[in-house]
Amino acid sequence: AQSVTQPDIHITVSEGASLELRCNYSYGATPYLFWYVQSPGQGLQLLLKYFSGDTLVQGIKGFEAEFKRSQSSFNLRKPSVHWSDAAEYFCAPMTTDSWGKLQFGAGTQVVVTP
Amino acid sequence: GAVVSQHPSRVICKSGTSVKIECRSLDFQATTMFWYRQFPKQSLMLMATSNEGSKATYEQGVEKDKFLINHASLTLSTLTVTSAHPEDSSFYICSARQTSGEDYEQYFGPGTRLTVT
Repeated sequence: AQSVTQPDIHITVSEGASLELRCNYSYGATPYLFWYVQSPGQGLQLLLKYFSGDTLVQGIKGFEAEFKRSQSSFNLRKPSVHWSDAAEYFCAPMTTDSWGKLQFGAGTQVVVTP
Repeated sequence: GAVVSQHPSRVICKSGTSVKIECRSLDFQATTMFWYRQFPKQSLMLMATSNEGSKATYEQGVEKDKFLINHASLTLSTLTVTSAHPEDSSFYICSARQTSGEDYEQYFGPGTRLTVT
C-alpha cells in the first residue's frame, strides 16, 4: 500500500536556527512530491514541488527540499527560521496515475521560540 | 493568480439539516476539484475527486449519499452535507487543478468550518 510518513509530529526550534522536516514515502514508482504549509486561519500554501530532474528543489520563503531516491525521502529544510514560519507542514506525494490525488502525511507542527 | 474561494467560511447548522459548501476557482478553469476533510490537529483526508460534467469519485469509506458533490462548471464545485449530524462537524477544504498545464499543482481554498449542533 502507498504510504507517506512524517516521523516528527512536533518540532520546536529557536528563531534563527536551522530546520529540517522529514518525509518518507512508500510508493511503487517515484511519485511527484509536494510540501505544503498551513498557518492558523489560512489555507494551504505550496512551498515547493519535485517532479524530476535536480534533486535539490528551491521553494518559497527560503525553503528547500532534497529528493533522495535511495532513501525514499523528501526532507524539507530552511537554514534560518523566522517566527512567521510557525505553522503545520505537510508532505504530500502524488502519483501520476491517480488523477493527481495527493496523499497527505500526518503533518509536523513547528513552534518557533524567541 | 490561481485563487480558490470557499463559501461560507463558517457555518453552524442543526442536526438533521443539510448544508451546502461552494468552491470556486476565481481566475482559472478547473477540470478537476478535490474535497478534503480535516479534523482538529490532524491531516487532510481526501473525500472525493470531481471532474466537471461527470460524477464524483469517492474515496473508500466516504458515504456518497451523505456528501453530495456537484461539479457543474469549470469554476464551481459544491459539497452538500445531507442530514448532518454532530460527527460531521469538521473543517472541509477544497482544491482545484487547472485545466491547462501539466504541473498537477492543486490550489487550495481557505476551508469551511462546519459545526453541527
